[in-house]
Amino acid sequence: DTAVSQTPKYLVTQMGNDKSIKCEQNLGHDTMYWYKQDSKKFLKIMFSYNNKELIINETVPNRFSPKSPDKAHLNLHINSLELGDSAVYFCASSQGQGSSEQFFGPGTRLTVL
Amino acid sequence: AQSVAQPEDQVNVAEGNPLTVKCTYSVSGNPYLFWYVQYPNRGLQFLLKYITGDNLVKGSYGFEAEFNKSQTSFHLKKPSALVSDSALYFCAVRDGNTGGFKTIFGAGTRLFVKA
Repeated sequence: DTAVSQTPKYLVTQMGNDKSIKCEQNLGHDTMYWYKQDSKKFLKIMFSYNNKELIINETVPNRFSPKSPDKAHLNLHINSLELGDSAVYFCASSQGQGSSEQFFGPGTRLTVL
Repeated sequence: AQSVAQPEDQVNVAEGNPLTVKCTYSVSGNPYLFWYVQYPNRGLQFLLKYITGDNLVKGSYGFEAEFNKSQTSFHLKKPSALVSDSALYFCAVRDGNTGGFKTIFGAGTRLFVKA
């Protein structure tokens, strides 16, 4: 059973397009995250949701809009894609905050041409 | 503000030798410290964490880490490296006094274990 799953695994698109990445966790966790990993492997948090409520929005352009329809899902919609959006996007989940470790999805490699 | 430093971009070690991957941190409150490993084209996997208590914590795959409050360090160690340990290792910190939703990751250290 996949604990944290993301779709699609690969996404290739043109500049200016709008795309979405879906994330689902079956761990029963109440907190979910989106991270961006750049080409140098640097990992930066984008958003965090706790019980479907936005907790962290880490200076991400408003072209990025997360949506959490329920505690098990956190989707990421990106409008007007730019070349600099090319990266690997990871979804993660944890139970609660602070001392809990995070479980990561396999990642979505986004390439903007 | 929280920060994490992994001073080495890469660590090379021969199989069977001990390995150390270094991490130092800065938080205003009590640190919650984590190590994660990333294999090629995979998501991060949790290895171990320090929250409180014994300064030496043991984790998955024979890894351990030592919390040193005076040196603000949390180095990852393993007594005998395996070729299969070759991967990218991330140290991460959360501030235990401020709710802790935000995790700051270090830049990562690539470990190469040579047979």
